Amino acid sequence: DQQVKQNSPSLSVQEGRISILNCDYTNSMFDYFLWYKKYPAEGPTFLISISSIKDKNEDGRFTVFLNKSAKHLSLHIVPSQPGDSAVYFCAARESGTYKYIFGTGTRLKVLA
Amino acid sequence: DSGVTQTPKHLITATGQRVTLRCSPRSGDLSVYWYQQSLDQGLQFLIQYYNGEERAKGNILERFSAQQFPDLHSELNLSSLELGDSALYFCASSVHGRGTATDTQYFGPGTRLTVL
Repeated sequence: DQQVKQNSPSLSVQEGRISILNCDYTNSMFDYFLWYKKYPAEGPTFLISISSIKDKNEDGRFTVFLNKSAKHLSLHIVPSQPGDSAVYFCAARESGTYKYIFGTGTRLKVLA
Repeated sequence: DSGVTQTPKHLITATGQRVTLRCSPRSGDLSVYWYQQSLDQGLQFLIQYYNGEERAKGNILERFSAQQFPDLHSELNLSSLELGDSALYFCASSVHGRGTATDTQYFGPGTRLTVL
C-alpha cells in the first residue's frame, strides 16, 4: 500500500516556464513533508520542506503547497532551468516517529 | 559531495550469499538511516540509528540487520540473498536524527547490489 504517491513518472517543461510536481498521500498522521532532488549516480539532496501546520513554504524559485483536506502537496519551480532536470521525490514523516515514507519519484526534464 | 561515504559502490553476488554494506556519516552527524530503492520504486525506509541505538524501523526484512558502531559508522548486513534484493541501497545521516529542514538528511551516493 503506497502511502505517498507521485502519479506522474515524468514531466517535460520548457525553460523559463513553471514546473509543477504533484504528490498525494493517504495517511492523515503525516506531520512533515519534504521534497528531494536526485541526479543520476548521486544520492537525493534535500530541496524544501513544509510542516503540516502550514500551507505554503517558499525558498527562492521553489515553493511547496500543502492542501491537507485533499491530502495533496505540490512543488512549483519558477522559472524552470535546465539544471533542474532530475528526479524529484516527495517524502512524508509519520507524526511521533522518525520514519519517512517516500514516493516513487517524478523525472523532470527542462528543455532549453 | 554530501560528506556521507558508502562502500562498496557496486556489489555483485549470488543468491543465498551474505553481504555487508558500509556507511560513514558526515562528521558530527549522530544519526544514520538506511534506504532501499528497487527498480521503479521509491526509497523504502529500512532503519534508523541514533548514537549507536536503533531509533526507528521500517520495512526491513528479518534477513537484513544493521548496527551503528561507537565511531558512528554503520553497516547493513543482508543475508540469504534473493534476486529481489537487487537494488540501490542508500545511507543518509543527520545531526540529531530528526530529518527536518533544520536537521537535514544527507544522502550518500548509494551501493548498487546485484544478486545473480
